[in-house]
Amino acid sequence: DIQMTQSPSTLSASVGDRVTITCRASQSISSWLAWYQQKPGKAPKLLIYKASSLESGVPSRFSGSGSGTEFTLTISSLQPDDFATYYCQQYNSYQGTFGQGTKVEIK
Amino acid sequence: EVQLVESGGGLVQPGGSLRLSCAASGFTFSSYSMNWVRQAPGKGLEWVSYISSSSSTIYYADSVKGRFTISRDNAKNSLYLQMNSLRDEDTAVYYCAREGIVGANDYWGQGTLVTVSS
Repeated sequence: DIQMTQSPSTLSASVGDRVTITCRASQSISSWLAWYQQKPGKAPKLLIYKASSLESGVPSRFSGSGSGTEFTLTISSLQPDDFATYYCQQYNSYQGTFGQGTKVEIK
Repeated sequence: EVQLVESGGGLVQPGGSLRLSCAASGFTFSSYSMNWVRQAPGKGLEWVSYISSSSSTIYYADSVKGRFTISRDNAKNSLYLQMNSLRDEDTAVYYCAREGIVGANDYWGQGTLVTVSS
């Protein structure tokens, strides 16, 4: 089974900060990685697919990079609406494993 | 507009059964694979089960294999999850999600809460 490890678990940042979240896979998943944003009481929202492709309607301050086993999600300038929990998910194998999540908090 | 609406959640005793439904609209349901994903209270996301567009391919997480059954009715634009032998650790919000052309889950329902407790 493919394991996904996100870091950090919690991140404190201010509006305007550049934020980077890392996701590591236990084995190569090529570029089959997605990033989701989830706010309390809401369903996850797709931000990035295939490691670096921006989902339609998602602000361009979000970007993804990486391939193989190491991936990053970057928010270039954090906005008030971006305080949320972020999850990576691999879809190289059928199990669709998620990372444990990174909560972005207000500093 | 793509919409996914889950129903069927509720309180059930350990060992009991529940059937979740997900009603799809706004897209050609029969053309898309679907997933169930759950989230225990205060915890992260856990993939539960996958079904291909024609139901020819089905997968389950090890944690539910042998107890849960995924199915779909393309004529009714509906996805189902039959959950048997429920355990305390199955308590979660259950989401249905569409697997988009890009391979990731591009649309999600609002979720339905399943509580397993005596």
